[in-house]
Amino acid sequence: GQNIDQPTEMTATEGAIVQINCTYQTSGFNGLFWYQQHAGEAPTFLSYNVLDGLEEKGRFSSFLSRSKGYSYLLLKELQMKDSASYLCAVRPSGGYQKVTFGTGTKLQVIP
Amino acid sequence: GAGVSQSPRYKVAKRGQDVALRCDPISGHVSLFWYQQALGQGPEFLTYFQNEAQLDKSGLPSDRFFAERPEGSVSTLKIQRTQQEDSAVYLCASSLGDRFDTEAFFGQGTRLTVV
Repeated sequence: GQNIDQPTEMTATEGAIVQINCTYQTSGFNGLFWYQQHAGEAPTFLSYNVLDGLEEKGRFSSFLSRSKGYSYLLLKELQMKDSASYLCAVRPSGGYQKVTFGTGTKLQVIP
Repeated sequence: GAGVSQSPRYKVAKRGQDVALRCDPISGHVSLFWYQQALGQGPEFLTYFQNEAQLDKSGLPSDRFFAERPEGSVSTLKIQRTQQEDSAVYLCASSLGDRFDTEAFFGQGTRLTVV
């Protein structure tokens, strides 16, 4: 099985940087997703990490450490529109690699 | 279509009523997933189809839940004798390949409220 842990809520200031952590325990690991979900909307894909290290994509970066079962999403130059829930999801190895989501971190960006 | 379409967007059901939720995946997408998302929680896996075959239904919470995808495109999630604990957003996702990958897209979901 899989166990995924994220903080429930975070608050950050417009223009600042925020790091959202995700830890996981899984019997087999293939990769880790980050999704953004605005209230009442569909989750949208942000990143997918397979190998250790940092991947940067504009204002968003995602980091993975497979040995530590740890990932973070880094959001720079925060904008009000970044207020949303951020979902960490793990894809295991084996089978069709059923993806399991964490409970999500609700980020509030304040002026 | 351009994206994954779900209908209805909102459904209010009286306890004990049967409901049917529809998902129109992106044309040509092989994989289709149903997730249940309770308020303030992450999506919880319900079931997975590869074309018309239901390969995994381990997440369906009870035998009141049933899903089908008879022609390998549109899928329907049916809930019989709805209970208050069934109130949630039901999300559908489709993926081009045979697994949930970076090309998987979600629909906007159906918000079910059981009263």
